[in-house]
Amino acid sequence: DVKVTQSSRYLVKRTGEKVFLECVQDMDHENMFWYRQDPGLGLRLIYFSYDVKMKEKGDIPEGYSVSREKKERFSLILESASTNQTSMYLCASKGPTNTGELFFGEGSRLTVL
Amino acid sequence: RKEVEQDPGPFNVPEGATVAFNCTYSNSASQSFFWYRQDCRKEPKLLMSVYSSGNEDGRFTAQLNRASQYISLLIRDSKLSDSATYLCVPRGGFQKLVFGTGTRLLVSP
Repeated sequence: DVKVTQSSRYLVKRTGEKVFLECVQDMDHENMFWYRQDPGLGLRLIYFSYDVKMKEKGDIPEGYSVSREKKERFSLILESASTNQTSMYLCASKGPTNTGELFFGEGSRLTVL
Repeated sequence: RKEVEQDPGPFNVPEGATVAFNCTYSNSASQSFFWYRQDCRKEPKLLMSVYSSGNEDGRFTAQLNRASQYISLLIRDSKLSDSATYLCVPRGGFQKLVFGTGTRLLVSP
């Protein structure tokens, strides 16, 4: 069974803290994605990666960075968390075929105080 | 104009009803389209793919109108378990899927 695992389901951080959100997939997928989901705004793409050490900016990369050192792991980093980064963060992976199926993790709900 | 627009709902329907949602998209180059379903406090999951004019899977029918740039999802014989948010997803650039904000469906007994 396919599995995307996000390390933390709930986090509470303070403004200015550095935050790491980890995501691991066990499907040997090349493509991995980080989205954030906010009420009324839907899912917005932050960054994606189509190979190890490769990354591309999504629609809202400001304030975020990512790391893809291994194929199975894609990390989202908030260098200095701000209150407007309070959100649900969803990691997803996708295989190389021309399908639209993203496999999502359960999400990480981040609250920045 | 937003890349994807959906009526947020909620659509309140009784069990057994037929309900349809529309979704409009702005990128005329989009070649493939998807409907995802998201249950409350859960992650989205793929419901259907639409590559040509339409697709049918049991009670669910998706139709694509390229000329008018909209996709529809029809659900027949609604079940309580169909209550969820339905996300319209046109495929944009390389590996990029653009998610709509979703339409919420509530099916009542």
